[in-house]
Amino acid sequence: TQLLEQSPQFLSIQEGENLTVYCNSSSVFSSLQWYRQEPGEGPVLLVTVVTGGEVKKLKRLTFQFGDARKDSSLHITAAQPGDTGLYLCAGASHNAGNMLTFGGGTRLMVKP
Amino acid sequence: ETGVTQSPTHLIKTRGQQVTLRCSSQSGHNTVSWYQQALGQGPQFIFQYYREEENGRGNFPPRFSGLQFPNYSSELNVNALELDDSALYLCASSLGRGPVDTQYFGPGTRLTVL
Repeated sequence: TQLLEQSPQFLSIQEGENLTVYCNSSSVFSSLQWYRQEPGEGPVLLVTVVTGGEVKKLKRLTFQFGDARKDSSLHITAAQPGDTGLYLCAGASHNAGNMLTFGGGTRLMVKP
Repeated sequence: ETGVTQSPTHLIKTRGQQVTLRCSSQSGHNTVSWYQQALGQGPQFIFQYYREEENGRGNFPPRFSGLQFPNYSSELNVNALELDDSALYLCASSLGRGPVDTQYFGPGTRLTVL
């Protein structure tokens, strides 16, 4: 059974601070996605990383895929209240098509 | 382009009843996956349908079943509902079933079992 562990589970910070969310596994993934979910809504895709060591930037968000494709991180610079939400990482196994294994999520609150 | 839609948005059932949830995939998408998200947790994979055939299944009992129709819309059926089935049920569609075929999620159906 593949598992993805996310940390921290909860994060409450002030506007303007930086933060990093981690997603770790002992399994290799062919791709890894980061989603953001608002209450009462489905997850919305932020980014997909597929190559070991890959770094992608989306405005103030920086995503990194580990060299061994077992872990990933999401770094937010100068967080804003609009960044508040549940951040989920999800991995697709090399032998299971695009069926996703999700982490438990990181609930982020950015206070003004 | 219409995104993934799900119906109903909310549903209340009692233990032992049966429920059917519906999903319309995004235009052009032939693969639909269903996930269960309990409160405060990440989604868990239930099963996936590709071109009307079940393509994979997570660790869920047989009372969770599904269908995919020729227009690629899909249904999730749950029999003999249990209290622990209370969750947000998410449907996601993708262009294909390959490892880099991105899944796009619908808003979910919130099921409460009393």
